[in-house]
Amino acid sequence: SQTIHQWPATLVQPVGSPLSLECTVEGTSNPNLYWYRQAAGRGLQLLFYSVGIGQISSEVPQNLSASRPQDRQFILSSKKLLLSDSGFYLCAWSVRGRDTGELFFGEGSRLTVL
Amino acid sequence: GDSVTQMEGPVTLSEEAFLTINCTYTATGYPSLFWYVQYPGEGLQLLLKATKADDKGSNKGFEATYRKETTSFHLEKGSVQVSDSAVYFCALSGAGSYQLTFGKGTKLSVIP
Repeated sequence: SQTIHQWPATLVQPVGSPLSLECTVEGTSNPNLYWYRQAAGRGLQLLFYSVGIGQISSEVPQNLSASRPQDRQFILSSKKLLLSDSGFYLCAWSVRGRDTGELFFGEGSRLTVL
Repeated sequence: GDSVTQMEGPVTLSEEAFLTINCTYTATGYPSLFWYVQYPGEGLQLLLKATKADDKGSNKGFEATYRKETTSFHLEKGSVQVSDSAVYFCALSGAGSYQLTFGKGTKLSVIP
């Protein structure tokens, strides 16, 4: 069966510090991968998605970046965090080539920037 | 572009009450529609889905019917339980797309 893991689960970082959130998927090949952010009262915002290694599409301009160094690994990064980067970050995957849009989410990473 | 509008929360119900969470959408073509649920401190889980007009998705006592004429996908449950307390998200996937557009979520609290 397929599983998705992301870490760390909780992170408290000072403003201006770097960030790295990691996500891995097991039990499937060539998934589409996604990073969403959930901020209080604002629902879910798609940040990045990837259809293959090295292929990243950004949905919103910001100081975050994403990379996909391996087929089932997706990394969210920042060189300098802002207060507004606080939120709950969710990694997700979907089956490549299937357009029904069903996403499978990780457990989430809660980031607090102080 | 595509959009999803769902009723603002929070919604507080007594156990065994009837639940309706309204969801309407705007999209071109024939999107697929979804309800996701997020329990406290966790990621989202797919609750149910419908891929064409008049389809009814159902799971764990929840139901939603894809109504193209009213562009709606309202979530219903006949008798809620305390364990149903969570945030519910309506979402759509445009035809030929692998991305989801989410509503803002509705927080449901069920009290004994």
